[in-house]
Amino acid sequence: DAGVTQSPTHLIKTRGQQVTLRCSPKSGHDTVSWYQQALGQGPQFIFQYYEEEERQRGNFPDRFSGHQFPNYSSELNVNALLLGDSALYLCASSFGGYSNQPQHFGDGTRLSIL
Amino acid sequence: DQQVKQNSPSLSVQEGRISILNCDYTNSMFDYFLWYKKYPAEGPTFLISISSIKDKNEDGRFTVFLNKSAKHLSLHIVPSQPGDSAVYFCAASVGSAGKSTFGDGTTLTVKP
Repeated sequence: DAGVTQSPTHLIKTRGQQVTLRCSPKSGHDTVSWYQQALGQGPQFIFQYYEEEERQRGNFPDRFSGHQFPNYSSELNVNALLLGDSALYLCASSFGGYSNQPQHFGDGTRLSIL
Repeated sequence: DQQVKQNSPSLSVQEGRISILNCDYTNSMFDYFLWYKKYPAEGPTFLISISSIKDKNEDGRFTVFLNKSAKHLSLHIVPSQPGDSAVYFCAASVGSAGKSTFGDGTTLTVKP
């Protein structure tokens, strides 16, 4: 039973570029959330996708956008990259949208901005 | 304004003793609380949760206590094992576990 998978594992970009990160949820899960984890801090909620729609959003600018596909996989897009976007990006999956269920996390994508 | 705080960045305990990790929150709307464990180069792994209608939840060596009046929760690990050495995150949510607010974590080191 595959868990949450994220790709790529590492990525290096320069300021101003655009990046797309990918996530496949755990089998049986239909809800995907994205988090940004800066060094020494806890994960910060970016947004959540359920039924191919953005259901909730954290305090992140519009440069951060996402998409969920019919197979429940998801993408996180970041435009006009800033040095401060350097972080570990975590994808988490769960079942049922608003249900109170613990999330399963992937191992993350380490994004470095030069 | 950080709504979930873990005031101890690190904790070191001897194998076999009790580990107590603490977490404070400010948002009284939070009604679901979780603890996650994270090893280096891996994503967080769910450990244990508690709903605001309870004040205690146990799962094997792990017990979470919730004090709603003090807006405080704690995770007890008894007995502590070297394999428990990891970063522990406290998280809280309003209704949905999807939008969790995390603390900055406590690094637990269990010495053999």
